[in-house]
Amino acid sequence: GDSVTQMEGPVTLSEEAFLTINCTYTATGYPSLFWYVQYPGEGLQLLLKATKADDKGSNKGFEATYRKETTSFHLEKGSVQVSDSAVYFCALSSGGSNYKLTFGKGTLLTVNP
Amino acid sequence: KAGVTQTPRYLIKTRGQQVTLSCSPISGHRSVSWYQQTPGQGLQFLFEYFSETQRNKGNFPGRFSGRQFSNSRSEMNVSTLELGDSALYLCASSPGLAGVMYEQYFGPGTRLTVT
Repeated sequence: GDSVTQMEGPVTLSEEAFLTINCTYTATGYPSLFWYVQYPGEGLQLLLKATKADDKGSNKGFEATYRKETTSFHLEKGSVQVSDSAVYFCALSSGGSNYKLTFGKGTLLTVNP
Repeated sequence: KAGVTQTPRYLIKTRGQQVTLSCSPISGHRSVSWYQQTPGQGLQFLFEYFSETQRNKGNFPGRFSGRQFSNSRSEMNVSTLELGDSALYLCASSPGLAGVMYEQYFGPGTRLTVT
């Protein structure tokens, strides 16, 4: 079945540091890939997505590239801010009419001033 | 456009009781999905409804059930509550048309505590 593996946290960085959160997946067919963010006490917000190989999703300075050859979708940001502190989830959907999202375990990011 | 709303936001129940959670999707969205979030198991898919029909189902016992109404609002029910059902229950909505992977928009969740 489908699965997502992302790096365990917590990750603690200083403001303006470079961020990478690794994500690899196993799926049948050609999945769509997503990064969601969850702030304390809130639901999930879609951060970015990619629907086919070599697509790059980007939003708010975050980027991730769909790499089919390495089955990866690593999240990166060049300069993190305190406001980026949150839990980040990598997720996939096997596409078509399948609206089931399979999530990774989540990575807690804390950014210190 | 108003976002996804879930009621109630917090709930405390006793083992053996049953509970009903409600989700109102974004206007115009016809797909509603439910997820359970726990520290141990993470985010797990419960089921998805589209136009009042269950279209996808996760691997949960029959105590977990749901339904969708003609206005796309959805409810999920958990019967004979167990301590392990304590979790954040998240609802997500999407236009839901087949063949297109639309984004899913999540509500703030209902925090269920079973004592």
